[in-house]
Amino acid sequence: DTGVSQNPRHKITKRGQNVTFRCDPISEHNRLYWYRQTLGQGPEFLTYFQNEAQLEKSRLLSDRFSAERPKGSFSTLEIQRTEQGDSAMYLCASSLDYLEQYFGPGTRLTVT
Amino acid sequence: AQSVTQLGSHVSVSEGALVLLRCNYSSSVPPYLFWYVQYPNQGLQLLLKYTTGATLVKGINGFEAEFKKSETSFHLTKPSAHMSDAAEYFCAVSDAGGTSYGKLTFGQGTILTVHP
Repeated sequence: DTGVSQNPRHKITKRGQNVTFRCDPISEHNRLYWYRQTLGQGPEFLTYFQNEAQLEKSRLLSDRFSAERPKGSFSTLEIQRTEQGDSAMYLCASSLDYLEQYFGPGTRLTVT
Repeated sequence: AQSVTQLGSHVSVSEGALVLLRCNYSSSVPPYLFWYVQYPNQGLQLLLKYTTGATLVKGINGFEAEFKKSETSFHLTKPSAHMSDAAEYFCAVSDAGGTSYGKLTFGQGTILTVHP
C-alpha cells in the first residue's frame, strides 16, 4: 500500500491553456474525491466517484472542469481554458467507506 | 447544509503547554466529525474521528477531541505540546451516510506554532 499518489506535484501554466492532473487511489478503494484548496482556506469539495460513476459535482466545478475515472481505478481532472482564479492546490482522496479518507500530496497549479 | 468554524486562524503555545484548537459545526443531521493535520508540502493526515458512541475520542500523537452535541463543538486538545506538532489543523464534518456520499466540509484551518 503506497498511499494515494498525484501527478504532477506542481504545474505552472499560462492563462488559457488546458491542464490535466492524475490521481492514483489506494488500490482497493472504490470511493474517490477531488478537493480544491486555496491559500489560507480549508479544502473545498469538487466531485466524487464511486467506482467509475461520478455521483456528485460541486457548483464550484464549472463547465471548464471535467473529471473521469475510467474503469474505477485512477482518476483525471482536466481544466480547460485556465484562469488565474484556478490557481490552487488540487487534492485527491480515496476511501473504502464514509469513515476515513486518505489524501494524496496534492497538485499545486499556478496560472500565470 | 453543513458548515465548520474554527476559532482562531493562528494559535501559538510553548513546548509542554496545553494545546486547544476550537471547532464548532453546523449540521442538520447527526454528523461525523474529523480532525486532520497538514504538514508543509504534505497531504492531509487523519488525526481522529467521531462517528457514534463514546464522545471522547483519542487519536494519534496524543491528541484527543470531545464531541459536545449541546454546544455543537468538537475541540481538539493535547496535554503537552511538542515541537513536532507545529502544523496546520483542519476540522471537518460529513453527514452520517446521507446523500453527500461522505464528502467532507472543512473549516478554514488553524496554524499551530510551538515555541521552545
